This record gives sequence, structure tokens and C-alpha cells, in this order.
Amino acid sequence: NAGVMQNPRHLVRRRGQEARLRCSPMKGHSHVYWYRQLPEEGLKFMVYLQKENIIDESGMPKERFSAEFPKEGPSILRIQQVVRGDSAAYFCASSPKRLAGGYEQYFGPGTRLTVT
Amino acid sequence: KNEVEQSPQNLTAQEGEFITINCSYSVGISALHWLQQHPGGGIVSLFMLSSGKKKHGRLIATINIQEKHSSLHITASHPRDSAVYICAVRGSRLTFGEGTQLTVNP
Repeated sequence: NAGVMQNPRHLVRRRGQEARLRCSPMKGHSHVYWYRQLPEEGLKFMVYLQKENIIDESGMPKERFSAEFPKEGPSILRIQQVVRGDSAAYFCASSPKRLAGGYEQYFGPGTRLTVT
Repeated sequence: KNEVEQSPQNLTAQEGEFITINCSYSVGISALHWLQQHPGGGIVSLFMLSSGKKKHGRLIATINIQEKHSSLHITASHPRDSAVYICAVRGSRLTFGEGTQLTVNP
């Protein structure tokens, strides 16, 4: 059973370009969480999705960032018109059901985004 | 003030030493996680606990719900234990501490 997969592992974008980060949850997991880790800072929650639904996006910047988790395929975190301040490690995690139900959350290896 | 505070921020130890990392939180939680992050690497969940104590190999995690405090202990530390250790509390989502950078020298 493969773990949480993220790709690409490293992504370089010029300012103004778009970045698309993909996350494939563990088999059987329908809940996905995205986190951001800015350089020299701790992890911060961004968004929580269930298949085809955004459950909690309170940690997402109001502009340029969006996330989806379609019925088929990976979850996508999309950053439009990237700026240098978007450079960070983006981690996704998955769980079989809601965290509030006491289920463990499994992290992917992360995507390191560098904006030049 | 952060909802999750870890101490110390940085810790250097000699191989074989007993290590303690502390975590205090100020919000209601359903569980607390200890995570390990290696340089350039991903994040591994070490423990999830909601009461008492858990042990896995040389790692021990304790939590005191009344005092809103948890500790992670490493016995007989080894250079391969060098990593960032992160405390995270679980409500409807995870809230993370800033992490403790542990370096164990041979």
C-alpha cells in the first residue's frame, strides 16, 4: 500500500507563473489536508478537502490560491501568479475519515516550491 | 502567543544522553501528535496520544491533559535521532508548534 504521494518533489517557477502541486492520498483515504512550511517557520494549515468538497479553507490566502480534490485523480493545490513569498515546502496529508474521529493522518514527502 | 509552544527551540546533546522536549498548548484538543522531520525530508508521525503515556523503542511520549502539557523523551540518544521534532494538537485540524531542532553529536 503506497503512502501519500506528492509531485513534483521540487518545482521552480518564475514570478508570475502558475504552480500546480499534486497529492495522491493513501489508498482508501478520502480526506486530504494541505500544509505550508515557510523557510525557518513551522507548519501551517491551509485547507482540508474531502472528495469533491472543500471542508475548511480558513488557512488559505484569500487570493491566488485554490485547491480541489476531484472525484477521480489527485488533489491539486494551485497557486496563480506566484511571488517570491510563496517559496516554501507544501505538504499534504491524508486520513481515511475526519480527524475529529480520531483517525491517524499520514504525510506526503512534500513539494519544495522555489520562486525565482 | 502561539496556541502551541515548544521548548527548547534548539537542543544539542551527546550520544547516549537522555533528551526531553516539551510542548504546551492553550486550546482544547482531542489528541496530540509528535512528528519527526529530517532535513530535506518528509514528516513522520511518531505518536498520537490523548492521555497517559506511549512508548515506541527509545521514544516515550507523555501527556497531561489537565496541565495542557506533553513531553517527548528519547533515551540513549543517537546521531540518527538528529531531526526537527514537532508537536501538533488536534482539534478539527492540526495546529503545529514551531519545532525543536535536535542535534546529537557522536
